[in-house]
Amino acid sequence: GDSVTQMEGPVTLSEEACLTINCTYTATGYPSLFWYVQYPGEGLQLLLKATKADDKGSNKGFEATYRKETTSFHLEKGSVQVSDSAVYFCALSHTGRRALTFGSGTRLQVQP
Amino acid sequence: SAVISQKPSRDICQRGTSLTIQCQVDSQVTMMFWYRQQPGQSLTLIATANQGSEATYESGFVIDKFPISRPNLTFSTLTVSNLSPEDSSIYLCSVPTPASGTNEQFFGPGTRLTVL
Repeated sequence: GDSVTQMEGPVTLSEEACLTINCTYTATGYPSLFWYVQYPGEGLQLLLKATKADDKGSNKGFEATYRKETTSFHLEKGSVQVSDSAVYFCALSHTGRRALTFGSGTRLQVQP
Repeated sequence: SAVISQKPSRDICQRGTSLTIQCQVDSQVTMMFWYRQQPGQSLTLIATANQGSEATYESGFVIDKFPISRPNLTFSTLTVSNLSPEDSSIYLCSVPTPASGTNEQFFGPGTRLTVL
């Protein structure tokens, strides 16, 4: 079955540091890929998405590129802020099934 | 986008009792999903609720423990029955983005359940 593997957290960075959170997946066909974010005390929100190979999703300074050859969808940001502190989830879904398969989540802590 | 509300937002229940969680969407949707997020863990799909048919449960989840109703296209309930401390989790409902081909989903705010 489908699976998503994320790097273990927590990830602790200083403000303005570069961020990479690794995500790899196992799935048949060509799933859609997502990053969701859960800020402290808030619900789950879509951060960005990509639907086909080589697509780049971007939002709020975050980017991730759908790499079919390495089955990866790593989340990157060039300069993190304290307000980016949250738990980040990588996820995938198939057109027919539509439900999401989530990775384990990575907690990011950004220090001033 | 879709606006999703859940009730209750949190509850503390005694072992052996049941809790029914309501999920209301501001638009009509065919599919609704129920997820569980155990403490410090990721989200796991419990079941898919389609209006007019029985819910489809994922491996490890059964209807007797997690009965689901879907009386119309904007509403669903999830009951967690015969509660034990292991059921302490956040329960979330979600719906696919209307007319989206990407399976993007909107999530409700979640119901935090604590079982004593």
